[in-house]
Amino acid sequence: GDSVTQMEGPVTLSEEAFLTINCTYTATGYPSLFWYVQYPGEGLQLLLKATKADDKGSNKGFEATYRKETTSFHLEKGSVQVSDSAVYFCALISSGSARQLTFGSGTQLTVLP
Amino acid sequence: DAGVTQSPTHLIKTRGQQVTLRCSPKSGHDTVSWYQQALGQGPQFIFQYYEEEERQRGNFPDRFSGHQFPNYSSELNVNALLLGDSALYLCASSLFSVGLAYNEQFFGPGTRLTVL
Repeated sequence: GDSVTQMEGPVTLSEEAFLTINCTYTATGYPSLFWYVQYPGEGLQLLLKATKADDKGSNKGFEATYRKETTSFHLEKGSVQVSDSAVYFCALISSGSARQLTFGSGTQLTVLP
Repeated sequence: DAGVTQSPTHLIKTRGQQVTLRCSPKSGHDTVSWYQQALGQGPQFIFQYYEEEERQRGNFPDRFSGHQFPNYSSELNVNALLLGDSALYLCASSLFSVGLAYNEQFFGPGTRLTVL
């Protein structure tokens, strides 16, 4: 079945540091890939997405590139802010079904001033 | 636009009891999906409702059931509660996906269920 593996957390960075959160996946066919963010007390919000190989999703300074050859979708940001502190989830939609998101276990990011 | 709303916010039940959680979708959406998020884990898909029918189901026992109403709102029912059912239950709404087309799912803030 489909699965998503994220790097273990938590991750603690100083403001303006570079962020990378690793994500790899296993899926049949050609899935669409997503990063969601969950702020304390709030629901999941879509951060960015990529629907085919070599696509780059970007939003709010975050970027991730769909790498089919390494089955990866790593999240990066060049300079994090305190307001980026949240839990980040990598997820996929299988090409066999557009209805069911499969999530990784999440990575807690804390950015210190 | 109120977005996706869920009620109640928190709930405490004891083993063996039954619980009903409620979800109102974002305006204009016709599809509701439910996810279970255990502490420290990612959400897991329970099922999806469209046109008042369950359209897809994840790997959850029959103790988990749902309903969708004509106004597109939805309920999640869990019978014979177990300690392991303690989790954050998330509702997501979207437009129904036909074939391989993906329509973004918008998530509510969740209902925190504690089973004692």
